Amino acid sequence: DGGITQSPKYLFRKEGQNVTLSCEQNLNHDAMYWYRQDPGQGLRLIYYSQIVNDFQKGDIAEGYSVSREKKESFPLTVTSAQKNPTAFYLCASRGSIWPTDTQYFGPGTRLTVL
Amino acid sequence: SQQGEEDPQALSIQEGENATMNCSYKTSINNLQWYRQNSGRGLVHLILIRSNEREKHSGRLRVTLDTSKKSSSLLITASRAADTASYFCATDTGSSNTGKLIFGQGTTLQVKP
Repeated sequence: DGGITQSPKYLFRKEGQNVTLSCEQNLNHDAMYWYRQDPGQGLRLIYYSQIVNDFQKGDIAEGYSVSREKKESFPLTVTSAQKNPTAFYLCASRGSIWPTDTQYFGPGTRLTVL
Repeated sequence: SQQGEEDPQALSIQEGENATMNCSYKTSINNLQWYRQNSGRGLVHLILIRSNEREKHSGRLRVTLDTSKKSSSLLITASRAADTASYFCATDTGSSNTGKLIFGQGTTLQVKP
């Protein structure tokens, strides 16, 4: 099956801990994105990557870090510097040629700080 | 930064009725996209309309775009209970092909059987 997978589905973090959210795609897409969604809100862009070994900050990058060592993978680390990390995190990928230039989303990871 | 504002925030209709959601944005766009999100799930792409297009159809969906008013509407005809979800508009405003999207806050649609 082609698509995007995110793991885990639910994640609990103690204050002061770093946690890493996984995002994998087998769509052969170059671009990948991480979004944060708070209850009743739209999505806000955390980081994005257009190509392997390159990534850019989005609107709310503080307290987060990413890597893009492989085309298929774009993990997001929520660091202890992120003061309010409880949220729903969504990963997406995008093809570069019409009509595949829309974003395809994974099922999300719900992170809760205990 | 929120580019899109959606109206209404919530909409409740009976099965078989039409549902209309509106999206307004502030800056010029390359394209505008509509996504659906079922509760607790990822987003599903519905339709993309480019800045030089005025109307697009996909099944029971009809999207219009008025770039002079910086607004778009999504019409779902003959709604079904399965259409119950949140609907988001997203604008691609980038000058380079980053594909970065700015999402609105969404319209929550409830279709009663």
